[in-house]
Amino acid sequence: NAGVTQTPKFQVLKTGQSMTLQCAQDMNHNSMYWYRQDPGMGLRLIYYSASEGTTDKGEVPNGYNVSRLNKREFSLRLESAAPSQTSVYFCASRGQSSSYEQYFGPGTRLTVT
Amino acid sequence: DQQVKQNSPSLSVQEGRISILNCDYTNSMFDYFLWYKKYPAEGPTFLISISSIKDKNEDGRFTVFLNKSAKHLSLHIVPSQPGDSAVYFCAAYPGTYKYIFGTGTRLKVLA
Repeated sequence: NAGVTQTPKFQVLKTGQSMTLQCAQDMNHNSMYWYRQDPGMGLRLIYYSASEGTTDKGEVPNGYNVSRLNKREFSLRLESAAPSQTSVYFCASRGQSSSYEQYFGPGTRLTVT
Repeated sequence: DQQVKQNSPSLSVQEGRISILNCDYTNSMFDYFLWYKKYPAEGPTFLISISSIKDKNEDGRFTVFLNKSAKHLSLHIVPSQPGDSAVYFCAAYPGTYKYIFGTGTRLKVLA
């Protein structure tokens, strides 16, 4: 039981390049999330997927797209990377627990030069 | 406009003493509040939560207190241990799938 996995762990992009961050969970959770963490800003929600087949914007969606490929996988795509997208990206999932807790992956550290 | 605020960026506490981490919120409609702990180079891990209809929840060394009239919650860690040194995030859940996180407090427990 791996929980939430993310690939890659590190990535350096040049401005204008594109890439996809991959996320998978093996806990049979319905909801999945993408966050970014920047110094002094906490965790900010980029997109979420309440269930397979649905996606919705969070607080900071500009410059990103997502795909909920199936119940396990939720990917985040940067079509044209910008230096402002330099950040640590976390994927999370949530099941039906009455405590509403989310389970987070280990993160992807992205640098855009 | 930050709906969830952690006004103390850092806190240092002696091992064995109590650590108190604070969080303020602005929206009285939040259903649930959660605390997460984050070590460097790892994702946040869930610590403890509290429903808005309760004022206290306890789990081992960790207790969360909710003061709805003051829109304030706090996490108490007793006794504090060096392994508790981490960044702590509070989060609010308004019941719409979206979570709102505070900016975090870095706790350092001194041996």
